[in-house]
Amino acid sequence: ILNVEQSPQSLHVQEGDSTNFTCSFPSSNFYALHWYRWETAKSPEALFVMTLNGDEKKKGRISATLNTKEGYSYLYIKGSQPEDSATYLCALDSNYQLIWGAGTKLIIKP
Amino acid sequence: EAQVTQNPRYLITVTGKKLTVTCSQNMNHEYMSWYRQDPGLGLRQIYYSMNVEVTDKGDVPEGYKVSRKEKRNFPLILESPSPNQTSLYFCASSPNRIGGLLAGEGTGELFFGEGSRLTVL
Repeated sequence: ILNVEQSPQSLHVQEGDSTNFTCSFPSSNFYALHWYRWETAKSPEALFVMTLNGDEKKKGRISATLNTKEGYSYLYIKGSQPEDSATYLCALDSNYQLIWGAGTKLIIKP
Repeated sequence: EAQVTQNPRYLITVTGKKLTVTCSQNMNHEYMSWYRQDPGLGLRQIYYSMNVEVTDKGDVPEGYKVSRKEKRNFPLILESPSPNQTSLYFCASSPNRIGGLLAGEGTGELFFGEGSRLTVL
């Protein structure tokens, strides 16, 4: 059974600080790695879909890197703002389905 | 506006009373999927559909049924709900087929509905 791990489970960060968290996955059967942002009472929204080893994607202050050989992806947020408070989900696209991590809950303290 | 619409958003029901959660997307997406989200767990796939009249079981299909008679609609049916089906349910669609070897031209992002919180007493 394929397992996707996210760490930490939750994270408190001071407004203005930068932060990062991890998504680990089995490197076999890799096709793509998805990152989603899920705000409370809303639906998850896609941030990135990454397919190539060494890939780095950026959207505003948020960026992500991918290492398919060692099986991890990092999500970075630069200069955290209160609106960054959300749960960040990663999912491994492997063969016939997406396998989801349990998420990292990020809370930005003003 | 491009969207995935689920109904109802909130429902409290009793054990054994059949219910249907509707899902509709207006983006002409081929792929649709149902997930449930429970505290401390990642999203778990219930059923998915690659196209009209094509549906497949996900990780946790027991107690659920789906149908895909038209491209835009993918209802989730609970024939005899039980308390362990109390959960937050998400419908999602994608322009590309999700699933590695089946994705062909590439893996697309998922577009999610706003969720349906179901409580079975």
